[in-house]
Amino acid sequence: GAVVSQHPSRVICKSGTSVKIECRSLDFQATTMFWYRQFPKQSLMLMATSNEGSKATYEQGVEKDKFLINHASLTLSTLTVTSAHPEDSSFYICSARDRGMDWTPLHFGNGTRLTVT
Amino acid sequence: GQNIDQPTEMTATEGAIVQINCTYQTSGFNGLFWYQQHAGEAPTFLSYNVLDGLEEKGRFSSFLSRSKGYSYLLLKELQMKDSASYLCAARDSNYQLIWGAGTKLIIKP
Repeated sequence: GAVVSQHPSRVICKSGTSVKIECRSLDFQATTMFWYRQFPKQSLMLMATSNEGSKATYEQGVEKDKFLINHASLTLSTLTVTSAHPEDSSFYICSARDRGMDWTPLHFGNGTRLTVT
Repeated sequence: GQNIDQPTEMTATEGAIVQINCTYQTSGFNGLFWYQQHAGEAPTFLSYNVLDGLEEKGRFSSFLSRSKGYSYLLLKELQMKDSASYLCAARDSNYQLIWGAGTKLIIKP
């Protein structure tokens, strides 16, 4: 089955530093990847849609200069949290859909637990 | 606006059956998904319905009524490992997923 690899699984960083999270589709090509954030006991919140070769589409209220997304290839998207603050501590999850198959479900990475101290 | 409603928490007994309901209001409709999410982990896909009726997959079944904007996930022969959150998500006319807040299912021995 389709596999999405997300790295790192956990990261602790100091306030003011930047953190990069990678999301890779291992056995399929993903034209579109999605980045979610999930706070404890809450549902998934879509942050942005990452499109290969073009700029990401951010949801309302998500700062594009703070959450930099790069989708350089059909198998890799990265999310960089710049100048992280404690309120950015959350569970970040990427997902991807097999290229050209809109009916298929999203395949999720295992998530990244970010803690900003 | 677009909205997904599902119960916050449910409790069931090991070996029993539980039904988790979900109602949705979306701009257009292109399918309904159920995902399972264990604490601290990413969601995993369980089922997909786009036509009315029941889809059965082993111990799990999912039902959809488009006219009522309603779906349910039925879990049979509950096992302790089924303790998790179950997320309902509807896809709108733009193929955007609208997520419910999830139902935390607690299984007791």
